[in-house]
Formats: sequence, structure tokens, C-alpha cells
Amino acid sequence: EVQLVESGGGVVQPGGSLRLSCAASGFTFDDYAMHWVRQAPGKGLEWVSLISGDGGSTYYADSVKGRFTISRDNSKNSLYLQMNSLRTEDTALYYCAKVAGYDAFDIWGQGTMVTVSS
Amino acid sequence: SYVLTQPPSVSVAPGQTARITCGGNNIGSKSVHWYQQKPGQAPVLVVYDDSDRPSGIPERFSGSNSGNTATLTISRVEAGDEADYYCQVWDSSSDHPDVVFGGGTKLTVL
Repeated sequence: EVQLVESGGGVVQPGGSLRLSCAASGFTFDDYAMHWVRQAPGKGLEWVSLISGDGGSTYYADSVKGRFTISRDNSKNSLYLQMNSLRTEDTALYYCAKVAGYDAFDIWGQGTMVTVSS
Repeated sequence: SYVLTQPPSVSVAPGQTARITCGGNNIGSKSVHWYQQKPGQAPVLVVYDDSDRPSGIPERFSGSNSGNTATLTISRVEAGDEADYYCQVWDSSSDHPDVVFGGGTKLTVL
């Protein structure tokens, strides 16, 4: 079964850091680009970051550029998001998502909640 | 940056047809994907590349895209279709690829 399982969320103070993880199974992980997408409580979906299958290319939304770093370890079938200098507006449910060959997100994890609050 | 505009809400009676629009500048030149999200659940892809359906998605879900508007059509609406729906495109107009989501439409089945 194709599956993505996120972990690492929690409550952190403004200015703090957090590292999210996403464990993938059921598909050839390094064949696919992976993304992080977030959803603030009661709000819509917001794309956060993308990493290519080999990890050589990364891209970020302007709202997180310079603060967040996406990475992957293909030997562990895992995706990561290092979040630094967190702001209250980063409070959201963070999903990892796999892109299908036709560039749509065909598989999503269940999400991990990040709350930035003093 | 590229903007996708969806109506906040659409209401339809069971058995009728729901149409959810997604507006964007010359969106007809892009591939549009649609996601369904029920409360407390992750999004699910229901239409990709304007009008194709992933396996397991009922034929009642269809899509079209032309000019400045893409449309998700749900025929013979059922109570279980009540959810938030999001359109999504890739925008390559800047120096890096960008994933853009519409603001979402809440479908209410009366």
C-alpha cells in the first residue's frame, strides 16, 4: 500500500525551530518529487516546498524562503522539513504529498500539526 | 504571482448537478487538477489534467478547462460529496516553479 506518514509536529514559541519528517512506503521513493503543503486552521491549502527525486533541486514559497529547508534521504525513504524562525502565521497542519507523473498530488499523508504560540 | 479564484460556496440538491468554477488568467493553457477534502481528512485527487479521473473516482466527477475558467462538474450529487474542493495548477511564469491552489469551495448538499 502506498503510504505517507508525517511526524514531528508540536507546539513551539515564535522564533523557535521544528523538524518535520515524512516516511514513505509502497513506491519507489527516489523516482518522485515530493512536496510539503500546509493548511492553517479553517483555511485553504498553501504550497510550501518541493524537492526533486534526487534531492538536487529545491523550491520554496516566498512565505517560507530563507527560513525553511526541505531535504530527503532516499536510503531511508524519508522526507524532511527543517523550520527555523517560526512565526505565528506558520501555525498549520503540514502535509507531505507525492506528485504523480502527471504533476498532480496523488498521495497525501494525514498531516502533522504545528502550532507557533507564546 | 498567479491567482486562482473559486466561489466560497456552492449548494445543490441531491441528484442534481454541481458545477464548481476556478478562474485564472488564461487558465485554459494550463493543466488543472482538482481535490476533494472532507472534514478532518487529507485532500483526495478527483480530477487531473483538466478532465482525467484517477482510478477509483466515480464517473460522476468530470472536468473541463477553457479560456479563463476551469470547471469541476459533479453529476447526480450525493450526500457523501459534501466537502471542500480545491483547484490547483503549476505556474512557471517566474524563475522557479510554483504550485498554486484556489481558495477552495465548500459544496453543500441540501
